[in-house]
Amino acid sequence: KNQVEQSPQSLIILEGKNCTLQCNYTVSPFSNLRWYKQDTGRGPVSLTIMTFSENTKSNGRYTATLDADTKQSSLHITASQLSDSASYICVVEGDSNYQLIWGAGTKLIIKP
Amino acid sequence: NAGVMQNPRHLVRRRGQEARLRCSPMKGHSHVYWYRQLPEEGLKFMVYLQKENIIDESGMPKERFSAEFPKEGPSILRIQQVVRGDSAAYFCASSPRDIQYFGAGTRLSVL
Repeated sequence: KNQVEQSPQSLIILEGKNCTLQCNYTVSPFSNLRWYKQDTGRGPVSLTIMTFSENTKSNGRYTATLDADTKQSSLHITASQLSDSASYICVVEGDSNYQLIWGAGTKLIIKP
Repeated sequence: NAGVMQNPRHLVRRRGQEARLRCSPMKGHSHVYWYRQLPEEGLKFMVYLQKENIIDESGMPKERFSAEFPKEGPSILRIQQVVRGDSAAYFCASSPRDIQYFGAGTRLSVL
């Protein structure tokens, strides 16, 4: 069964600290993996997208890694800011070019 | 270029009424997707449409739910005879090809 699991479910860190969010997936065949940021009450916004051949991609203070062999991805946030408080969702595209398998997200809270 | 526009942002309906959710894709995007999100859960795919065509509706309940994306005008997600379990956030996304851009969602509350 195609699944995307994320950990931790929620995370609280102090402003300025770094953190790493995890994503494990069982989707096969695999096309690409995406990280989205969803602010409360808003729609998801794409942060990164990685294909099978890419193992790291950065977007500002966000760096995503992908290990297609172990089917794991991580999202590292550097020097966190209060505006980073949001849900971070790992999404995997399988063999269709539109059906995405969504993780439940990690809820990140940044405290001053 | 305005983003994906969804309206209304909040919709309250009583059981048995109809709910109509509208989505205007970004200019130039011909692909529209609808998702449902329950509290504390991830987004669940419902339906994928291109202009005047339903490409995949495998995630949409067979009864009471329908979607359209006419040649002119917004995409519409229609829920007939709503029940309490339909209460959720409904997100629309549009794309030119692969990256999906999301609207702010419509929060449906069924009393």
